[in-house]
Amino acid sequence: QKEVEQDPGPLSVPEGAIVSLNCTYSNSAFQYFMWYRQYSRKGPELLMYTYSSGNKEDGRFTAQVDKSSKYISLFIRDSQPSDSATYLCAMTSSGGSYIPTFGRGTSLIVHP
Amino acid sequence: DVKVTQSSRYLVKRTGEKVFLECVQDMDHENMFWYRQDPGLGLRLIYFSYDVKMKEKGDIPEGYSVSREKKERFSLILESASTNQTSMYLCASTPDSSYEQYFGPGTRLTVT
Repeated sequence: QKEVEQDPGPLSVPEGAIVSLNCTYSNSAFQYFMWYRQYSRKGPELLMYTYSSGNKEDGRFTAQVDKSSKYISLFIRDSQPSDSATYLCAMTSSGGSYIPTFGRGTSLIVHP
Repeated sequence: DVKVTQSSRYLVKRTGEKVFLECVQDMDHENMFWYRQDPGLGLRLIYFSYDVKMKEKGDIPEGYSVSREKKERFSLILESASTNQTSMYLCASTPDSSYEQYFGPGTRLTVT
């Protein structure tokens, strides 16, 4: 079992839909959680990060962490065609190695 | 803005050639990383470096070596390229005590 599981998709939604992207993990030591967005033929860019449990909101994006279930989510409200990309979750334990463990990414397609 | 640049966006090499991939970051980051990204496999860490002249093996170092002579520059070397090294190569950097990786645009390497 991989440490971080992420459904590869593709997830196809109409413009304006609420999108939910998710990752599960097995290492209970993970405390720092990140979401990266990767457009086709580009490098990943950091979208959001959260520490420990709870929610964090940034514009149309909300990151949610449920440590008791070892489950993290990224919600995108009012999705736009420009949100079409691959979304990678990443996580690491605090105080140790600064190398995150990445999910394999979910491909999102938002069609007009 | 953090900028991570990679020497080539696309590269085609022949089997057996020695290949150099260069990465430069302009934010004085201590840590630098080389990943490869393949469909269905996600990001896999090849090598990383915490400081000048220091290097550590990642998950898949076989067939690769690295060089870090200056803080801002981290090179990945394929000693004798093989077709199974055809991939997207991504460089990343982070400041010390940070989990947030900043990626370059990637080099798509094809070995024929």
